[in-house]
Amino acid sequence: AQSVTQLGSHVSVSEGALVLLRCNYSSSVPPYLFWYVQYPNQGLQLLLKYTSAATLVKGINGFEAEFKKSETSFHLTKPSAHMSDAAEYFCAVSDGGATNKLIFGTGTLLAVQP
Amino acid sequence: DGGITQSPKYLFRKEGQNVTLSCEQNLNHDAMYWYRQDPGQGLRLIYYSQIVNDFQKGDIAEGYSVSREKKESFPLTVTSAQKNPTAFYLCASSIGAGYTFGSGTRLTVV
Repeated sequence: AQSVTQLGSHVSVSEGALVLLRCNYSSSVPPYLFWYVQYPNQGLQLLLKYTSAATLVKGINGFEAEFKKSETSFHLTKPSAHMSDAAEYFCAVSDGGATNKLIFGTGTLLAVQP
Repeated sequence: DGGITQSPKYLFRKEGQNVTLSCEQNLNHDAMYWYRQDPGQGLRLIYYSQIVNDFQKGDIAEGYSVSREKKESFPLTVTSAQKNPTAFYLCASSIGAGYTFGSGTRLTVV
């Protein structure tokens, strides 16, 4: 079975500082991996996804993530945090198979301090 | 523009009442999903459907029912058997590795 673990339910950074949100996955098959962002009372917006192409994936709003198979990780980073980055972030995994279900982590709430 | 429409945005349910959440997509996606979101628990899969007239239970299907009579529509009914229905509900559709989410329905028991 697939699963996702997000370390740190709350992360706080200063504006301009590095953002690092951690995600580890478990999958018996090569996974598809995703990062989503959610603002209050809204749906999910895709930041980026890994589908077995380049291991360093660049997304929207300056975010990127690196797929590391040896560490079963897919951490999300952004060099310089902006106040508008304050939101909840979800890592998700899919097997891309017949069911194609997305399995989500429990989320990380990012606070950006001025 | 193509997308997913969820309605209503806010819904209030009385104890013992069934309510139906609407999800419509015009993306021509075969697969559709319903997720429930609670604080600190992420998104948990309620039901999913890969094709019309077929659907499968997800991880937390008890107290919920769905139908898939049309490709575009995947309504979710929250029955009186669901003892703690207050949550944010998200509908999604997919084709391959591309998923699209609706803007959600917040259900509150009053």
